[in-house]
Amino acid sequence: EVQLVESGGGLVQPGGSLRLSCAASGFTFSSYAITWVRQAPGKGLEWVSGFTGSGGSAYYADSVKGRFVINRDDSKNTVHLQMNSLRAEDTALYYCAKVGSSSWSDFDSWGQGTLVTVSS
Amino acid sequence: QLVLTQSPSASASLGASIKLTCTLSSGHSRYAIAWHQQQPEKGPRYLMKLNSDGSHTKGDGIPDRFSGSSSGAERYLTISSLQSEDEADYYCQTWDIGLWVFGGGTKLTVL
Repeated sequence: EVQLVESGGGLVQPGGSLRLSCAASGFTFSSYAITWVRQAPGKGLEWVSGFTGSGGSAYYADSVKGRFVINRDDSKNTVHLQMNSLRAEDTALYYCAKVGSSSWSDFDSWGQGTLVTVSS
Repeated sequence: QLVLTQSPSASASLGASIKLTCTLSSGHSRYAIAWHQQQPEKGPRYLMKLNSDGSHTKGDGIPDRFSGSSSGAERYLTISSLQSEDEADYYCQTWDIGLWVFGGGTKLTVL
């Protein structure tokens, strides 16, 4: 069974940093892309960042480009999202999601999310 | 620009059927999409991948009441025999090289 478990959320001041982690199990981790999706309070889903599988590359939404960095550790089946220069508008529930059969495909599994609050 | 458009809300009666629509932007009518369900206060749940020819592959444990179809740039999610637990937000999602995209979501109310 595929499992994705997020951690690392919390309260941070504007301009601060936070590092989220997504621990995966139940599938051949290195073969699949993993992405981060966020949901601001009362709003819809927004794709944030993704890292393709098998020694692939990182991709970012324009809203976080230059501030967030995604990386993966295939030896630990984990993906991290380093969030810097945080703003109030980054406040959201952050989910990690596994991409399906190829690097560019649907999200076929979701974690339960970790809450990030940016406030002074 | 790759964009998905959904109606903000929909409603139908308990036991009835409903068809939700997701429209792909111009020039992207052959793209596949996925449908996801988000029940109140819960995380998203993968429903299915839907291709431009209407063929679809559902996620594990998704009931037969959920089905997908396509016509041109439109992608549909049909839910039959509506149950109270189907009251949720439904999001379509697609992808291209370098990005993934969500529609704005449809809030389904079961009357």
